[in-house]
This record gives sequence, structure tokens and C-alpha cells, in this order.
Amino acid sequence: AQKVTQAQTEISVVEKEDVTLDCVYETRDTTYYLFWYKQPPSGELVFLIRRNSFDEQNEISGRYSWNFQKSTSSFNFTITASQVVDSAVYFCALSEGVSSGDKLTFGTGTRLAVRP
Amino acid sequence: DSGVTQTPKHLITATGQRVTLRCSPRSGDLSVYWYQQSLDQGLQFLIQYYNGEERAKGNILERFSAQQFPDLHSELNLSSLELGDSALYFCASSVTAYNEKLFFGSGTQLSVL
Repeated sequence: AQKVTQAQTEISVVEKEDVTLDCVYETRDTTYYLFWYKQPPSGELVFLIRRNSFDEQNEISGRYSWNFQKSTSSFNFTITASQVVDSAVYFCALSEGVSSGDKLTFGTGTRLAVRP
Repeated sequence: DSGVTQTPKHLITATGQRVTLRCSPRSGDLSVYWYQQSLDQGLQFLIQYYNGEERAKGNILERFSAQQFPDLHSELNLSSLELGDSALYFCASSVTAYNEKLFFGSGTQLSVL
């Protein structure tokens, strides 16, 4: 069965610090997809990134970057120069592909608090 | 704004009652998903519909049912409600049914008293 572990329950940083959110996953499939979603205080889940299992290139989008390493089954998320608006709960999620339907398995989330 | 509309935003009801949650997907999206978010269970996938047909099922209780109508809106029916059903219920949509990014609604907060 698939599983996503976000060991960091809460992280607190001061504005402009860099912060990395960890995500470790378990799956038996060779084809799978990894996601990050953000849940700000308003409550709505917002998509950040999707990665398939065959693409191990790291990705950077503005202050956000993602490090996907199949060897360690990790898909970590780094925010550079954090801002107060980054305060939210961040969820890592896994989808095992067509054979299992299209259901996402979410981690328990990491609550990030960025202090001014 | 994700373009996914959920109503109502809040619902307070009593144990044993039945409620219906409604979701309108983004224009053009054929797939609708329902997720439950609670403090003890986290975010749990309930069910997915694609173009009117059930496509995937998660940990959905037998007391819960859903459907997707010809106009693609979806309803989640929760019956014989228990205190433990209190949660935030999200609807999400995507264009197709294959591991795409999901657009989530703002959720319906259900409180069972």
C-alpha cells in the first residue's frame, strides 16, 4: 500500500530564512506521481507541483524548489527567503497511476509559520 | 479562486440526520473527487467520478454515497450521521481522470452535534 510520511509536524522560521519540508513516500509501483499542495489559513488546497516517477530533475519556481530522489524515496520542498505569506500547511501526496484509480494519498502535512 | 464551487460552506446538524453536499466543478473539468479532512484521519480520499461514472473508491463509508449528474455537478450524501463524521469535506476537479493536478473547492465544514 502506498504511504506518504511528513515527519515534520510544525516548523517555525523567521522571515527571509530558507526552509525545507521533508516528504518520504512508499510505493510498489514503478509509475507514480508526486504532488505538493498548500493549505493557507483560508482553508482551500492549492496545487504547487506534480512530478512523475520518471522525471528526477529538480525544479525551481521562483522561491520554491523541489528535490526528487528516487534512491531515497524522497520529494523535498524548499522555500528560499521565506515570507509571512508562506505560512500555511503543506501537504505532500502520492498517486500510483492508472491501475489504482486516481486517488491521492496525502501525508499528514507540515504546518509552516513564518514570523516577521 | 479555483473555480470549484461547494455549497454550503458550513453545515450543523444532529446525529442520525442526513445531509447533502454539493459541488460544481470548474468549467470543462470532467472529473470530480471528494476528500474528507479531519484532525484524526487527515486528508482521506473518498470517491472519484469521471463524466458521470464512478471511477475510483477510497475509504468511503457505506452510509455515504455520491453521484455525478449529466451537467457534471456532484453531490455527496451522508446519512445516519455520527459525531465522528464531523470534518471538512472537499470537492476537487480535474480535466481528465489521470493523475492531474486537482483544483479544490473551499470545502464544506460539517459539524455533527
